[in-house]
Amino acid sequence: GAVVSQHPSWVICKSGTSVKIECRSLDFQATTMFWYRQFPKQSLMLMATSNEGSKATYEQGVEKDKFLINHASLTLSTLTVTSAHPEDSSFYICSARQRGTGYGIGQPQHFGDGTRLSIL
Amino acid sequence: GNSVTQMEGPVTLSEEAFLTINCTYTATGYPSLFWYVQYPGEGLQLLLKATKADDKGSNKGFEATYRKETTSFHLEKGSVQVSDSAVYFCALTLSGGYNKLIFGAGTRLAVHP
Repeated sequence: GAVVSQHPSWVICKSGTSVKIECRSLDFQATTMFWYRQFPKQSLMLMATSNEGSKATYEQGVEKDKFLINHASLTLSTLTVTSAHPEDSSFYICSARQRGTGYGIGQPQHFGDGTRLSIL
Repeated sequence: GNSVTQMEGPVTLSEEAFLTINCTYTATGYPSLFWYVQYPGEGLQLLLKATKADDKGSNKGFEATYRKETTSFHLEKGSVQVSDSAVYFCALTLSGGYNKLIFGAGTRLAVHP
């Protein structure tokens, strides 16, 4: 149980293109989803927290207009990298917290398998 | 501020060796503690967790005990396998702020036959 699917797993595109990454909770409803960025051999950097039906909360230093997050349903959140450039190349990972588990801090996040984005 | 410090890797071991990956934390309040594992090219999988002092999390032969007095959550396994080769992340959450995870830098483990 508690499977999170992320799509696509790998995308290569030209500079200036906008890229959309989907994060779906397959067998549970997720009130909160998180988007992370990971550079090679480094830890995960939280980019933003999104709650269903409301605006995402971005971490300091993350450009809201660059990384558009939509959480339109309890099972889907999307991250759109707008006008992507080579410096946006990275591994992007989403995670989801299951609805009904409240905000109990012992409840784990369930992670997708990540999306490797390469901008040429 | 709140933070997690892990021992630097890579950690290289022979199969069946004993593993310890150190993790200490700084937190205001009473965090929950987690170990996540990341296999090459994949996302993170929860390995184990502990939600209060003296709790022991365990899974797949891995163990970690929440030590409040030393603010530590060291990961151990008695006999590692080649399939355990991965990056291990120690993390914490605190109440409020949607319980964001705060990760350590990660420790790469390489197990050789």
